Amino acid sequence: NAGVTQTPKFQVLKTGQSMTLQCAQDMNHEYMSWYRQDPGMGLRLIHYSVGAGITDQGEVPNGYNVSRSTTEDFPLRLLSAAPSQTSVYFCASSYEEGRDTEAFFGQGTRLTVV
Amino acid sequence: AQTVTQSQPEMSVQEAETVTLSCTYDTSESNYYLFWYKQPPSRQMILVIRQEAYKQQNATENRFSVNFQKAAKSFSLKISDSQLGDTAMYFCAFMFQGGSEKLVFGKGTKLTVNP
Repeated sequence: NAGVTQTPKFQVLKTGQSMTLQCAQDMNHEYMSWYRQDPGMGLRLIHYSVGAGITDQGEVPNGYNVSRSTTEDFPLRLLSAAPSQTSVYFCASSYEEGRDTEAFFGQGTRLTVV
Repeated sequence: AQTVTQSQPEMSVQEAETVTLSCTYDTSESNYYLFWYKQPPSRQMILVIRQEAYKQQNATENRFSVNFQKAAKSFSLKISDSQLGDTAMYFCAFMFQGGSEKLVFGKGTKLTVNP
C-alpha cells in the first residue's frame, strides 16, 4: 500500500530557482493538501484541493502555486525560491467518513534554500 | 478562525510511567474532529487517536486515551506505561466537519521517554 508518496525527500535550491514538489496518492481521496512545518510553528496549511480542478489558498500561500489535474496528483510549485521557504513540506490526502475520518501524510520533503 | 494551543513545548517521562499532554482549541463550530498525531525522528506523521466532537465518550487506543472536555474546549492526551518508542513530537489538530482538507495544528509538544 503506497498511500501518499512525496518526491523528493531532500532538496537544496539556490535563491531564485524554481522547482516542483511532487505528491501522489493511490487511495482515491478527493481532498489533498500541502503543509509546511517550521520549528516551533507546527504545520501550517499552504494550499488545498477538494477535487480535480479545484484548489484554494490556505494560511501561508504566498510564493507557492498548485494545480490538480487528476484525483491522484497534487504538485506544489515554487516559482522563485527564497530563503524564507526553507522548511519541511508535507502533502496529505484525506477523507471524511465519521469515525474513520483521517488525513494521511507523505514522508515529507526537507527543502533548503541558500 | 480555529486555533489550537499546546502549552507544553517539551515534556519528559520515565519509562513505564504515565504522562499527559495538554491541548486547547478555539472554535465556533459545533461539529468537528480532534486528532493527536505523533512525529518520530523519521519525520513521518502518524495518527495516534481521533475524537469526534459529537461523541461524549473519550476515545481510547491501547495505551493512549484522551480527556475531551467540549465545553472547556480541551483535548488532552494520556499515555500510559510510556515506552522508549513513544519519544516523538506530538501534535494536536482540529478539523471541522465538512472540511477534511484543512487541518489546524498546534505547535507541538516534544516528548522524551527516559529509560
